[in-house]
Amino acid sequence: AQTVTQSQPEMSVQEAETVTLSCTYDTSESNYYLFWYKQPPSRQMILVIRQEAYKQQNATENRFSVNFQKAAKSFSLKISDSQLGDTAMYFCASFSGTYKYIFGTGTRLKVLA
Amino acid sequence: DTAVSQTPKYLVTQMGNDKSIKCEQNLGHDTMYWYKQDSKKFLKIMFSYNNKELIINETVPNRFSPKSPDKAHLNLHINSLELGDSAVYFCASSPHSAGGPYTQYFGPGTRLTVL
Repeated sequence: AQTVTQSQPEMSVQEAETVTLSCTYDTSESNYYLFWYKQPPSRQMILVIRQEAYKQQNATENRFSVNFQKAAKSFSLKISDSQLGDTAMYFCASFSGTYKYIFGTGTRLKVLA
Repeated sequence: DTAVSQTPKYLVTQMGNDKSIKCEQNLGHDTMYWYKQDSKKFLKIMFSYNNKELIINETVPNRFSPKSPDKAHLNLHINSLELGDSAVYFCASSPHSAGGPYTQYFGPGTRLTVL
């Protein structure tokens, strides 16, 4: 069975600093996709970044990057130069072609001024 | 221009009532979903439809009945509402052509409060 685990329920970071959110997953599929979604207080779910498992290069989107360790089944999100607008719940998710996305329990990130 | 829209955004109702939430996507995606997010923010899949066909039904009480009149719409009807149904319900859609990227796009959510 697929699982996604986020072991940090809450984190905080000072504005302009860097923070890393952890995510581990388990799947028996050889081809799968991993995602980080952000849910700000407005509750809209917004895609932050996506990684295809067959790609070795870590995905990057502006200040957001991932550290994808396939052997360790780890998919952490690094946020550089944190901004107040980054305050949100962050969800890690996996998909392996069965029409079913598995979400982690989320990490609440607070960026402090 | 809204990619995935849901109506209504807020719904307050009494126990025992029947209510519906509508969802529409204009992205041309062939797969749509309903999720329930509880007060602890846990996001749980309820249903998935691919080209109007039900493909995932995650042990949801049969008081919940999804309906997909076409692949751009997926509505959720809830009968005999209970206090425990209070939650935020999200609709989402994604493309499922071979090769991915399978990114899900979410609607704004519907906050349902059952009194």
